[in-house]
Amino acid sequence: GESVGLHLPTLSVQEGDNSIINCAYSNSASDYFIWYKQESGKGPQFIIDIRSNMDKRQGQRVTVLLNKTVKHLSLQIAATQPGDSAVYFCAETISGGSNYKLTFGKGTLLTVNP
Amino acid sequence: EAQVTQNPRYLITVTGKKLTVTCSQNMNHEYMSWYRQDPGLGLRQIYYSMNVEVTDKGDVPEGYKVSRKEKRNFPLILESPSPNQTSLYFCASSFTFPGNTEAFFGQGTRLTVV
Repeated sequence: GESVGLHLPTLSVQEGDNSIINCAYSNSASDYFIWYKQESGKGPQFIIDIRSNMDKRQGQRVTVLLNKTVKHLSLQIAATQPGDSAVYFCAETISGGSNYKLTFGKGTLLTVNP
Repeated sequence: EAQVTQNPRYLITVTGKKLTVTCSQNMNHEYMSWYRQDPGLGLRQIYYSMNVEVTDKGDVPEGYKVSRKEKRNFPLILESPSPNQTSLYFCASSFTFPGNTEAFFGQGTRLTVV
């Protein structure tokens, strides 16, 4: 498949470890944030989202933390598996505004070593 | 099966030769959008559509056109492609603007303009 991992921040972890992927977002007015996973040769896939009235949200093996003070998001993956190897993107938007755009970060390449 | 379908998956063309990349979704989604993905730049929004006959520019609309005559289809048109439009393109759809609902992405179209 096509490589989208060139020039990206990378994180390499051992299978079974926890992974933390960070994202700094740009717009202090953004109030809705989404994490996407993109495997090689595929389109992005929704993982988890969070609204600005929350600091933390948990899904299956994933947790998203939001720090609005410093405009920072993180995605935590518990017990990382080889199938988690992918590029991870955060995205931000203003859900109630008139600008109906989704702005993506540049992504982080996660490599899980067996 | 719910999906977003793009065609073609791969395309090599020459500078100035008009082309259309098709996108179709079978989920009755109102919101559709096009992104381009380039190494180190992440996904950047080209155009989006809130509903039939309603389209607007994203962050990088220059050199592209779109139309939304039917709810399910959102073609991307390059009237006069240039080499700087060589990229990986993704179409996405969601029930409403993705600030509120999950967006589904197509498999991507790799375009090379020589």
